[in-house]
Amino acid sequence: SAVISQKPSRDICQRGTSLTIQCQVDSQVTMMFWYRQQPGQSLTLIATANQGSEATYESGFVIDKFPISRPNLTFSTLTVSNMSPEDSSIYLCSVPGTWDTYGYTFGSGTRLTVV
Amino acid sequence: KQEVTQIPAALSVPEGENLVLNCSFTDSAIYNLQWFRQDPGKGLTSLLLIQSSQREQTSGRLNASLDKSSGRSTLYIAASQPGDSATYLCAVRQTLTGGGNKLTFGTGTQLKVEL
Repeated sequence: SAVISQKPSRDICQRGTSLTIQCQVDSQVTMMFWYRQQPGQSLTLIATANQGSEATYESGFVIDKFPISRPNLTFSTLTVSNMSPEDSSIYLCSVPGTWDTYGYTFGSGTRLTVV
Repeated sequence: KQEVTQIPAALSVPEGENLVLNCSFTDSAIYNLQWFRQDPGKGLTSLLLIQSSQREQTSGRLNASLDKSSGRSTLYIAASQPGDSATYLCAVRQTLTGGGNKLTFGTGTQLKVEL
């Protein structure tokens, strides 16, 4: 299965600023997924990052708040813009395995605290 | 819309005890189900993946079963150890025609194994 390097592992940010999270995969993958995990909650899908096209956002998430880049098949970034304390969460990227062998692999997560 | 529920939400057991974690889902049109472990503030580690055609999967002290028709999966942990303390999440992947690239996560079971 793929190996994902996610940076930063944690950050404390001032409200109103932006943070960009990076995920690097050790193999080429068509899709990458970005999730948010609010304190004490399960994971919620933010968007699907496709190479060569705009990301597909889930209900409740918008591009202006969470712009995503996918410049190639091994790399993606998620930016959390104009942050407020409600954005304090763990953010994770993920890639799927092949349909018949591997499940999803996740990055190590970015723990964001907005003060 | 798929909904995934895990019971119990939290569990505390003495070391050495065998235990069962439960996961239920509302839409049986799944491609596979995956169990993850999450340590506090960290990313997800994949434990077991069960394809929809399979009944169970085993890895070491872990055994996961799947009853797709009834919408249930269980994760059995034998001879629990303090190092097993973590949050356990199940996630279902829909079939290709049902939005197959997305994972829907359960609410999680927070396990504490005491000495």
